[in-house]
Parts: sequence; structure tokens; C-alpha cells
Amino acid sequence: GAVVSQHPSWVICKSGTSVKIECRSLDFQATTMFWYRQFPKQSLMLMATSNEGSKATYEQGVEKDKFLINHASLTLSTLTVTSAHPEDSSFYICSARQGRFQRRNTEAFFGQGTRLTVV
Amino acid sequence: GEDVEQSLFLSVREGDSSVINCTYTDSSSTYLYWYKQEPGAGLQLLTYIFSNMDMKQDQRLTVLLNKKDKHLSLRIADTQTGDSAIYFCAESEESGGYNKLIFGAGTRLAVHP
Repeated sequence: GAVVSQHPSWVICKSGTSVKIECRSLDFQATTMFWYRQFPKQSLMLMATSNEGSKATYEQGVEKDKFLINHASLTLSTLTVTSAHPEDSSFYICSARQGRFQRRNTEAFFGQGTRLTVV
Repeated sequence: GEDVEQSLFLSVREGDSSVINCTYTDSSSTYLYWYKQEPGAGLQLLTYIFSNMDMKQDQRLTVLLNKKDKHLSLRIADTQTGDSAIYFCAESEESGGYNKLIFGAGTRLAVHP
């Protein structure tokens, strides 16, 4: 399958600072990228969906000023956690898809995740 | 919103079959999916089934779909220790001109000797 690279794999930051997580599609052009948050032993919670060149669509309850998403090119999306607090500590996973719709030949591929710890 | 439910934990002996169950709510989902997540890693697509199919077999994996009851299952034959992971079922939901995946809480499969 296609490769989605997420960086960094883990990061520790001080409370109040901002952290940027990158998600790159290495061998395909990602029209749509998704950002998820996963709490321990829980499912993936979709935070937002971004289409290249347009503003991200955030899920209900997700603060758009807190979690800034940029999808400036067809191979790169970034999630910036601004003014991070300990409650933002979580596992963040991105996924990328070539098309707007999940179909057999346009499945979403997932990055390896980023574990964020805010101290 | 749509909802996907799974049992949280399953323990099986190595060599036995594992059956992971899932129920979903969106009857318009075109595809239903099974993903595998190993510790500290992202998700890997295992298999999917088109909504007009009842069954799909792929090597050791068998997916059964009961569309009337909105029930999906994943059977892993001859389960190995390397199959220990969290398994997520997912349905697709269309919204705003694109679609997104809705995941269940995941079933943690533990394989013991």
C-alpha cells in the first residue's frame, strides 16, 4: 500500500508552547487528509478533515483555534497544537486519501502516529 | 451521528479461530472496513467488504456482513501470536461532499499459547 509518514513519532513539550506535527503522503497525492486523536484504550476520534487548498472542516467540539490544520500541498498537512496543556497529551494520527470519497481504490492510508506529552 | 460498536476484548488460544463482532448504524455505508493497530502504531487496512456482499474471504480472514441486522464480523483462522493487536471496524459516512470513516472503539485481541 501507499506510505504516509508522520513526524515526529513522539514529542514532549512544556505547557504553553506550540507543537507542529507533519503528515506526508510519500508516493501519492493526497486530496484529503484526516487528523484523529486517540485516547488510551479508546477509538480514534476524528478531529478534522482537510482538502488541499481549502480550510479544514472541524468536527463538533474540536477547537479550531487550538488545533490549527494546514493542507498547503497535495503531499503535506500539518497539525499545530497551540498553547498546549497537559490535557492535550494524546496519540495523534493522520490519514491521507487520494480522493474525496472512500472507495475500493481510494482508501485512506494512516501515518504511524505521534505521541504528544505535555508537561 | 453514526455509531459503531464492538466488544472491547477477546482472548484466544494460538491456532484457534478468532471472531470479532461489530454493529453499525449507517445503512447507506457503501463499504465497511476492518483495520488493525499494533502497539504505538497507526492503522493498517486489513480488509473491506462492499455493502452488497454477504461474505468476503482473504486468506485467513473471513468477513461476514448481515446488512439486515447491521452486523459485521471478522474471523481470523489459525490465530497466531502476531495477530495480537487492536482491531477496529469502520463504516463510511458521507458529509459535505466527501466521506469519512467512523470507527468503533476497537477490540483488543490477545493470543496466548
